Amino acid sequence: AQTVTQSQPEMSVQEAETVTLSCTYDTSESDYYLFWYKQPPSRQMILVIRQEAYKQQNATENRFSVNFQKAAKSFSLKISDSQLGDAAMYFCAYTGTASKLTFGTGTRLQVTL
Amino acid sequence: DAGVIQSPRHEVTEMGQEVTLRCKPISGHNSLFWYRQTMMRGLELLIYFNNNVPIDDSGMPEDRFSAKMPNASFSTLKIQPSEPRDSAVYFCASSLLRRVNEQFFGPGTRLTVL
Repeated sequence: AQTVTQSQPEMSVQEAETVTLSCTYDTSESDYYLFWYKQPPSRQMILVIRQEAYKQQNATENRFSVNFQKAAKSFSLKISDSQLGDAAMYFCAYTGTASKLTFGTGTRLQVTL
Repeated sequence: DAGVIQSPRHEVTEMGQEVTLRCKPISGHNSLFWYRQTMMRGLELLIYFNNNVPIDDSGMPEDRFSAKMPNASFSTLKIQPSEPRDSAVYFCASSLLRRVNEQFFGPGTRLTVL
């Protein structure tokens, strides 16, 4: 079975600074996708960024980028120029041949002035 | 475009009552997923459908839970009888069958069982 581990329950970053959220996963599959979802207090699940395992190039979406280390099974999220609106729970997730999403336990990000 | 629609947004009920949660997927999507979010267990898949057919219901906690998808635009998750430990946020998500890596989530239903 696939597992996703987020070892940082909480992180804090100052506005305009950069923060990195960690995620590791375990799988025996070769074809899969990894995701970062944001859940603000409204509890809506918002897809932040997606990475296909077969792509070596790290995905980027504006201020959000990932560091995908396939051999190490690591998938970290970097948020640059942090904004107050980035404060939320962030979930790392995996999907492979089984179609379902497997989530980590989440990291609560606080953004301070 | 309307996203995934869930109703109700909030539900408060008493132990033993029947609860029905509803979901309307994005038009044209043919895969539908029900997830549950709790403090203890995090986000977990309960069941998913492809073309209205249940594919994997291994996450359904027990026989008190049932899910149906009578047509491509509607699904229900029913709990009968409800128990306090069922209190959680229930999410519905949908995707195109060929692109299940792009699941779009509804706003969730917060269920409280007293």
